[in-house]
Amino acid sequence: GALVYQYPRRTICKSGTSMRMECQAVGFQATSVAWYRQSPQKTFELIALSTVNSAIKYEQNFTQEKFPISHPNLSFSSMTVLNAYLEDRGLYLCGARGGQGEQYFGPGTRLTVL
Amino acid sequence: QQQVRQSPQSLTVWEGETAILNCSYEDSTFNYFPWYQQFPGEGPALLISISSVSDKKEDGRFTIFFNKREKKLSLHITDSQPGDSATYFCAASRNYQLIWGSGTKLIIKP
Repeated sequence: GALVYQYPRRTICKSGTSMRMECQAVGFQATSVAWYRQSPQKTFELIALSTVNSAIKYEQNFTQEKFPISHPNLSFSSMTVLNAYLEDRGLYLCGARGGQGEQYFGPGTRLTVL
Repeated sequence: QQQVRQSPQSLTVWEGETAILNCSYEDSTFNYFPWYQQFPGEGPALLISISSVSDKKEDGRFTIFFNKREKKLSLHITDSQPGDSATYFCAASRNYQLIWGSGTKLIIKP
């Protein structure tokens, strides 16, 4: 079946440092990868949408300078949170979209900033 | 303005009953509507989805009813089990982007 793995599941970093998270789609051809952040209040914010061979599109309030994304092939994507601060904490979700339009999510990377 | 609305915010039903979760949307260009189930500490898992050309989709105990004219849909969970206790998100898709509802927290009492 379709699975999306994310690594690490949890991470703690000091304020002002950076951390990288990875996402891998297994069992299907991902046509796009979307990165979301889920707040403690459970709301979802779209960070960016990445389609292989196309420019990565960032949403308002999110920039490539802060959240650089690499999407070298259909099954793998990584995102870095640079200079993390308290407001960056949350559950970072990777959603990979299959050929029929369905979007599968990984378990998320929970970022805690001290 | 919230483009996808869910109600109720929380719902408690007894084991064996049918839980009904509601969702409505604003934009008539949305054409794909997935429902996700999320347990605490985990990512959202795709539960069932429907496209705008259908009015019903069934998968085991889970059924989506879709009313395109009224821009409403609902998720029915029949014979609900304690293991169904989770937060359920309705989403609407346009091209590659998902627009999320705010979720319904479902509690099934044994």
